[in-house]
Amino acid sequence: AQKVTQAQTEISVVEKEDVTLDCVYETRDTTYYLFWYKQPPSGELVFLIRRNSFDEQNEISGRYSWNFQKSTSSFNFTITASQVVDSAVYFCALSEASGGTGFQKLVFGTGTRLLVSP
Amino acid sequence: GAGVSQSPSNKVTEKGKDVELRCDPISGHTALYWYRQSLGQGLEFLIYFQGNSAPDKSGLPSDRFSAERTGGSVSTLTIQRTQQEDSAVYLCASSTGLGEFFGPGTRLTVL
Repeated sequence: AQKVTQAQTEISVVEKEDVTLDCVYETRDTTYYLFWYKQPPSGELVFLIRRNSFDEQNEISGRYSWNFQKSTSSFNFTITASQVVDSAVYFCALSEASGGTGFQKLVFGTGTRLLVSP
Repeated sequence: GAGVSQSPSNKVTEKGKDVELRCDPISGHTALYWYRQSLGQGLEFLIYFQGNSAPDKSGLPSDRFSAERTGGSVSTLTIQRTQQEDSAVYLCASSTGLGEFFGPGTRLTVL
């Protein structure tokens, strides 16, 4: 069975610090997708990134960067120079083939709550 | 609208009553998903629709839960004879297959 582990339940940092959120996954599929979502206090899940299993290049988007390493089954997320607005729960997710149709349902980690204080 | 919408945003009901939760997906998205987010359980997959059919209902927790989708668009999740353990946020997502976009959720409280 597929599984996503986010071992960090809660992280507290001070503004401008860099912070890395860890994500480790398990799957037997050779083709899969990994996702990160942000859930701010408002509750809505905000899509951040999707990465397929064949693309191990790191990705950077502004202050966000992602490190995908198949050798360690990890897909870690780093926020550089954190800001108070980054405070949220962050979920890592793994796609799992749903119903044999090729569409992907998501298996989520338990989330990491990030608290950024001024 | 441009995003996934859900109604109601909040629902408080008494144990034993039936509830209906509605989801309006992004226009043109053929896939629609229901998830549940509750304390201690994280985010759980409930059911997936491709068009009007549901090829994967594996996450529905009991036969009190059912869902339908009509016209390849709006979906309704129905919970019969609600129990206190059904209290959670019910999230709907739609997709073209390249990533799921979530609605704001319906917070269900069963007293």
